Amino acid sequence: NAGVMQNPRHLVRRRGQEARLRCSPMKGHSHVYWYRQLPEEGLKFMVYLQKENIIDESGMPKERFSAEFPKEGPSILRIQQVVRGDSAAYFCASSPKGGGDTQYFGPGTRLTVL
Amino acid sequence: GENVEQHPSTLSVQEGDSAVIKCTYSDSASNYFPWYKQELGKRPQLIIDIRSNVGEKKDQRIAVTLNKTAKHFSLHITETQPEDSAVYFCAFLAGSYQLTFGKGTKLSVIP
Repeated sequence: NAGVMQNPRHLVRRRGQEARLRCSPMKGHSHVYWYRQLPEEGLKFMVYLQKENIIDESGMPKERFSAEFPKEGPSILRIQQVVRGDSAAYFCASSPKGGGDTQYFGPGTRLTVL
Repeated sequence: GENVEQHPSTLSVQEGDSAVIKCTYSDSASNYFPWYKQELGKRPQLIIDIRSNVGEKKDQRIAVTLNKTAKHFSLHITETQPEDSAVYFCAFLAGSYQLTFGKGTKLSVIP
């Protein structure tokens, strides 16, 4: 049973470019969560999605960041016009149900903005 | 907003000794408390979790205790081994699905 998959694992972008991070949840999981981890810090919640719906995006910056989880295909976290402060590890997690169900994490995408 | 205080930030123990990490949380309504282990450059891995209807849960060398009245919970690792060296994060469920994480404890087990 494959776990949560994320790609790319490492992404380098120059300031002003776009970053697209992909997350495929575990089989049978329809709930996806995105978290950001800065160096030496814990993970910070960004957004929670179910298939075709954003349930809570309260942790995501209002500008430049967007997320989707289409009916088919992986969840996408998109960062437009990246800045150096966007450099971080971005983890997604999935669960079969919401509401306090156990969340399983992917390997993360390490974004570096030059 | 909701937050969790985690102590200590670093912990060194001799192989075979016990390690204890403590967390205090703010959301009295929370009923789910997981612990994650993260090795350098790797994903956070769930090692144990506890729900508020129990006070203690044990899995081999790992145990978690929960005191809902005091709003704190602790991770206990006994007979530590070098492969236990990692960063450990406590978390609690803020609301119905959003995990709030502590800042982590870097555990070093000295052979």
